[in-house]
Amino acid sequence: KQEVTQIPAALSVPEGENLVLNCSFTDSAIYNLQWFRQDPGKGLTSLLLIQSSQREQTSGRLNASLDKSSGRSTLYIAASQPGDSATYLCAAFMVNAGGTSYGKLTFGQGTILTVHP
Amino acid sequence: KAGVTQTPRYLIKTRGQQVTLSCSPISGHRSVSWYQQTPGQGLQFLFEYFSETQRNKGNFPGRFSGRQFSNSRSEMNVSTLELGDSALYLCASSPQGVGYGYTFGSGTRLTVV
Repeated sequence: KQEVTQIPAALSVPEGENLVLNCSFTDSAIYNLQWFRQDPGKGLTSLLLIQSSQREQTSGRLNASLDKSSGRSTLYIAASQPGDSATYLCAAFMVNAGGTSYGKLTFGQGTILTVHP
Repeated sequence: KAGVTQTPRYLIKTRGQQVTLSCSPISGHRSVSWYQQTPGQGLQFLFEYFSETQRNKGNFPGRFSGRQFSNSRSEMNVSTLELGDSALYLCASSPQGVGYGYTFGSGTRLTVV
């Protein structure tokens, strides 16, 4: 059974800092990994999708890496801003013995990020 | 390009009632997945539909059911509501459900009283 863990559970930083959010997964047989942000009471916004064959993906100030062998992914946020304050979730999409596990993302519990001015 | 649309945004129901939630995926997406989000359990997978067929199901009681129509719109139904069903219900769409990532809707906040 795939388990996804995110550390830290909460993080508070001053504006302008670079920061790293961590995600670990127990089963390396992932198909891809997706990072999301969630604002309070809202749905999930996709940030980055990393396929299992890729090492990293970049979008603006965000960079996500994937290391299947160690079961880890990191989300790097450069020059953080108050607007980055949200909960960040990572989700692993598995490949099971039957080939795929359709539609099922396994989520971590999230990291609550607060960026203060 | 329209995103994933969920209706209604908010619902208040009484224990024992049933409820139906709706999800319209991104045009061209054929896979729709449903998730329940609660503070205690986080995001949990309910089920996934593709071309009107349920392909995968999570560990939820039979009170939770769903369906998908020929236009890929999906509904989920919860019968005999319990207080513990209060949650944010999210649906996600994907072109085929494998390899393309998922786009989520804004969710339906269900409160059972």
